[in-house]
Parts: sequence; structure tokens; C-alpha cells
Amino acid sequence: GAVVSQHPSWVICKSGTSVKIECRSLDFQATTMFWYRQFPKQSLMLMATSNEGSKATYEQGVEKDKFLINHASLTLSTLTVTSAHPEDSSFYICSANQQLWTDTQYFGPGTRLTVL
Amino acid sequence: DAKTTQPPSMDCAEGRAANLPCNHSTISGNEYVYWYRQIHSQGPQYIIHGLKNNETNEMASLIITEDRKSSTLILPHATLRDTAVYYCIVGAGNMLTFGGGTRLMVKP
Repeated sequence: GAVVSQHPSWVICKSGTSVKIECRSLDFQATTMFWYRQFPKQSLMLMATSNEGSKATYEQGVEKDKFLINHASLTLSTLTVTSAHPEDSSFYICSANQQLWTDTQYFGPGTRLTVL
Repeated sequence: DAKTTQPPSMDCAEGRAANLPCNHSTISGNEYVYWYRQIHSQGPQYIIHGLKNNETNEMASLIITEDRKSSTLILPHATLRDTAVYYCIVGAGNMLTFGGGTRLMVKP
């Protein structure tokens, strides 16, 4: 159990275009999902917290108008990178919070974005 | 969230136990200790977590000291597929802050 999927697993796009990444919790409902970014040889950096039915909370330094997050259902959150630039090339990873006796985050496999 | 300190890298022989230490001296009473691992170019994989009691599951054992200021993740019989970066994180599960982790290299 506790499986999280992401789609696509990799994407290459031209500078100036927008890219949408989907994150789904397959076997549990998640009121809270998270989006992280990871640059080569670095650790994961939290970008934003996505709450079902409400606006996302962005970490300091993350542009909310550039990284649009939608959490329309308890199993789906999307991240749209708008007007992508080469510096947005990175590994984007989502996680979904499962609430049982404690909170546990389960991560998706990640999406590698390359902007040309 | 409390910060953690982990050795940047460790080696382990295949088939032997891998013991990964983590210091979290500023952990507060309601914070859990979580362990994740990340194999190259994949998302982090949940391993185990605990509050104050030792925990064991099919992947690993977690030993937390009585004062909760440190813990050890034990992989009882390491395989080559256990080569990864292991992250020790303290906090509430709905808010995780990743540090540098320990790069474990399992060697034949």
C-alpha cells in the first residue's frame, strides 16, 4: 500500500512553454501533498504544501505565479511550471501525506524536467 | 523541526549489517524520527519511523536512545540494492526537512 505515482516521469520542453506534472496517491486519500525540487547532487528542497480544496502554501523564494499548484481532489495534485526557462530544469518530486496513527509522507518516483 | 547530523558516507560489506547513526539532540517531545532512502534518480522511499520505542519492519530496525537524542537505522543483511542515500529526519510527518543524508555504499 501507500503508493504515489507521478506523470510524466520525464519531459523535455522549449523555453517559454508550460509543463504540467501530475501526482496521484493510488491507494489512499491525501488532504495534504507536497512538492519538492532536487538539483544534481543536492538534497530535496520543499517548494510548496498543497492542501485539498484550498490554496497552496509556498516556501520562501518560490514564485507562486510561476509554479501553479492545484489540489482538486483527495488523490490528485498538479504542478504547472509556467513559462519554463533552462534554470527550471530539475528533478521534481511530490509526496502525499497518509494520516493513520501518525503522519507519514510517501513519495512519487519524480519527474525530470529539461528545458531547452 | 529539529536538525539532524549524519555522517556523509559509509561503506558496508554485502551480507553484513549496516548501522547508520543519526544525532538529533534538539528533538522535541512530540517529534518523530523518520528514515527515508533515495536511490539514484528515484523519489525517496519510506523505511521506518518511531517516537521513542524501538521499531522493526520488513526493511529495517530503528533503535532510539532513551534520551531520544540519537538513533540508529539497522539494515540486518545489506545487499547491493541497498546502496542509496539515507535520510534521517525528525519532525511531524506532515512537514519534513531533508538534510544531506548518509551515502551508503554496499560493496561485494
